[in-house]
Amino acid sequence: AQSVTQLGSHVSVSEGALVLLRCNYSSSVPPYLFWYVQYPNQGLQLLLKYTTGATLVKGINGFEAEFKKSETSFHLTKPSAHMSDAAEYFCAVTRAGNNRKLIWGLGTSLAVNP
Amino acid sequence: DTEVTQTPKHLVMGMTNKKSLKCEQHMGHRAMYWYKQKAKKPPELMFVYSYEKLSINESVPSRFSPECPNSSLLNLHLHALQPEDSALYLCASSQQGAKDTEAFFGQGTRLTVV
Repeated sequence: AQSVTQLGSHVSVSEGALVLLRCNYSSSVPPYLFWYVQYPNQGLQLLLKYTTGATLVKGINGFEAEFKKSETSFHLTKPSAHMSDAAEYFCAVTRAGNNRKLIWGLGTSLAVNP
Repeated sequence: DTEVTQTPKHLVMGMTNKKSLKCEQHMGHRAMYWYKQKAKKPPELMFVYSYEKLSINESVPSRFSPECPNSSLLNLHLHALQPEDSALYLCASSQQGAKDTEAFFGQGTRLTVV
């Protein structure tokens, strides 16, 4: 069975500081991995995804994530936080051929302090 | 056009009311989804439609009734809801059959049952 663990339900950083949101997954088959962001009172927006190929994935708004199979991780990073990055971030996993059903992490709430 | 449009944005209904949520996409996606999301929680899958046919029902109570009139539209009919059904209801769509596609989400309908 697949599962996703997001370490840290709340992360707080200063504006301009590095953002690191952690995601670990378990999957018996090669996973497809996603990071979604949800701003207050909004739907979910895809930040980036990993399916196959290059393990360092670049997304929107300056975010990137690296797929590390040996560590079963897909951590999300951004070199310099902006106030507008404050939001809820969800990591999700599915397997090839089953894109209909995403397994979600519990989410990490990111606060950015001035 | 990469939008999934949901109406209404907000809905307040009594426990004896009948109402419907609507979702529309024009991306040619043949998979469409309904999710329920409580505050600060990940979305919970309710229903999946594939080529206008219901393919997944996650044991959702019958007071929620989905409908897919055509490939662009998805409805969720609500009847005799309970206060605990208050939540953000999200519609999403994705390509069907593609190996690595992501889901595109609407902005959601904030439902309050009184």
